[in-house]
Amino acid sequence: DTAVSQTPKYLVTQMGNDKSIKCEQNLGHDTMYWYKQDSKKFLKIMFSYNNKELIINETVPNRFSPKSPDKAHLNLHINSLELGDSAVYFCASSLPIDSANTGELFFGEGSRLTVL
Amino acid sequence: DQQVKQNSPSLSVQEGRISILNCDYTNSMFDYFLWYKKYPAEGPTFLISISSIKDKNEDGRFTVFLNKSAKHLSLHIVPSQPGDSAVYFCAASADYGGSQGNLIFGKGTKLSVKP
Repeated sequence: DTAVSQTPKYLVTQMGNDKSIKCEQNLGHDTMYWYKQDSKKFLKIMFSYNNKELIINETVPNRFSPKSPDKAHLNLHINSLELGDSAVYFCASSLPIDSANTGELFFGEGSRLTVL
Repeated sequence: DQQVKQNSPSLSVQEGRISILNCDYTNSMFDYFLWYKKYPAEGPTFLISISSIKDKNEDGRFTVFLNKSAKHLSLHIVPSQPGDSAVYFCAASADYGGSQGNLIFGKGTKLSVKP
């Protein structure tokens, strides 16, 4: 059973198209995230949601819109795709901070987006 | 400006020997550090963490050392096994536990353990 699953794993599309990447976690975590791994291998946070509410929204273009229908799902919708959007996108989830929790992130396998 | 640096993109070690992966950071507000391990085509998985109140944390074959004055941490794997071959990411947070997601990651070091 995959704890954090994202679909699709691979996505090849043309510039200007709109696409979505879905993420689901079955860990019962309250907080979910989207990270982007760029061509330089950096992992950077894009968004963070806690119980369906947006917590973190880093400097990401408005073309990127996360949607959380419930706390187990956080989907990423991208409008008007550009070449620079090509990257691997990782979904993650975590437990809230408490004395027993390290706050570690549980990552999905990643979705490789290629924009042509 | 990289706040978390892993200056060695790759490391090759013989099976049974010690692997030492290094990480430097610049932000003195970081108070929590984590190491993640990533196999090809998989997401990163948590390996070990350390808070700034400690200088060492050990979990089986994995030990993380933190030198706050030098803003340096290292991950020791001993003995190294071929299954340890992966990319290792160092990450840091100024928010203990990092559950708010604002972890800053290094570029990663690819470890190859040769039989």
